[in-house]
Amino acid sequence: EAQVTQNPRYLITVTGKKLTVTCSQNMNHEYMSWYRQDPGLGLRQIYYSMNVEVTDKGDVPEGYKVSRKEKRNFPLILESPSPNQTSLYFCASSPQGFGEQFFGPGTRLTVL
Amino acid sequence: GDSVTQMEGPVTLSEEAFLTINCTYTATGYPSLFWYVQYPGEGLQLLLKATKADDKGSNKGFEATYRKETTSFHLEKGSVQVSDSAVYFCALSVPGGATNKLIFGTGTLLAVQP
Repeated sequence: EAQVTQNPRYLITVTGKKLTVTCSQNMNHEYMSWYRQDPGLGLRQIYYSMNVEVTDKGDVPEGYKVSRKEKRNFPLILESPSPNQTSLYFCASSPQGFGEQFFGPGTRLTVL
Repeated sequence: GDSVTQMEGPVTLSEEAFLTINCTYTATGYPSLFWYVQYPGEGLQLLLKATKADDKGSNKGFEATYRKETTSFHLEKGSVQVSDSAVYFCALSVPGGATNKLIFGTGTLLAVQP
């Protein structure tokens, strides 16, 4: 089944404790992206990647890192999480950078 | 810059009522337009799309027409069901644009009552 998977689905952590949210897709898509969803703001792009070893900032990259060492994986790293990063995070992939994107189920992160 | 504006919710309807969720956009170039749906506890799924002016996207009884003259892409359904209760997002992307992303509206919560 073609899908984007994320882990964990739910995470509660404390300020400053490094964490990684994994994202994997099995559709051989070139393009992957991370979004955060906040009430009243819709979805905002954090980082995206056009291909292996090619990443770039989206609209709200501060406090986040990503890597793209393999085509299928695009982990999101929070090196020192803060409470303002409490949000619902979505990973997405696409055959190309624009157009339809396929979304993972989301990761709800709470930073205390 | 490119942006999407959609009507605020929540929208509360009775089953079998007619649904309209308004969406207007601002974009340079020739955007593709999308409606995504997010059911409770799930990720976003593409509902329908249109890639050029006057195209009509349709799926599961929902329709939206790409209107370049009014820069709109309103979502409609003739008879909603309880199972349509979800958050609906209008979005655009610009092929070949400087940014590689979907630009989303803020979402509209639809609640359908039996």
